[in-house]
Amino acid sequence: ETGVTQSPTHLIKTRGQQVTLRCSSQSGHNTVSWYQQALGQGPQFIFQYYREEENGRGNFPPRFSGLQFPNYSSELNVNALELDDSALYLCASSLHDGFEAFFGQGTRLTVV
Amino acid sequence: AQSVTQLDSQVPVFEEAPVELRCNYSSSVSVYLFWYVQYPNQGLQLLLKYLSGSTLVKGINGFEAEFNKSQTSFHLRKPSVHISDTAEYFCAVVDSGAGSYQLTFGKGTKLSVIP
Repeated sequence: ETGVTQSPTHLIKTRGQQVTLRCSSQSGHNTVSWYQQALGQGPQFIFQYYREEENGRGNFPPRFSGLQFPNYSSELNVNALELDDSALYLCASSLHDGFEAFFGQGTRLTVV
Repeated sequence: AQSVTQLDSQVPVFEEAPVELRCNYSSSVSVYLFWYVQYPNQGLQLLLKYLSGSTLVKGINGFEAEFNKSQTSFHLRKPSVHISDTAEYFCAVVDSGAGSYQLTFGKGTKLSVIP
């Protein structure tokens, strides 16, 4: 059974740039959720993708967008990066009607 | 929307001593609760979950938690901690809206095990 994998593990970007983070879901899981974890905080829900469409969104601006592909993998895109976007970004996969989410190792994004 | 409060941001404890990490949630009709552990520079690993049934839930690494509906609590316990338990622990509740299920997390409790 393949777990959730994220790439890259670390990334440094300049304010105003755009970034794409990638996630491969666990085998058999059809739903992917993204979370942002700022330093010293708990993860916050960004959005969820199911059947290649956004299926729920947290309190994040439109410059946070995503994609899901037919193989259930997903991308998180952030435009016009701000310093406050510096955080650990976590991807979690699950079954659509399942409550149990399995997390990847995360991508540490630093915006300078 | 659901909310989760972890009452202690840091908990130091001596090795082989018992520990309790406290978590309270906002009340709702259906409650599904989780504890996750995060080791430094890593993602989240599921420790245990409460979906229904017995209020005492056993998880990995010797941890257990008790669901208390009247006190809206889901405290995590371990009778004897090890150095390797040093990590950050997050309590989470399932929040549903617009057809999706997402997790709402507490701010975390850093457990430091002292040799």
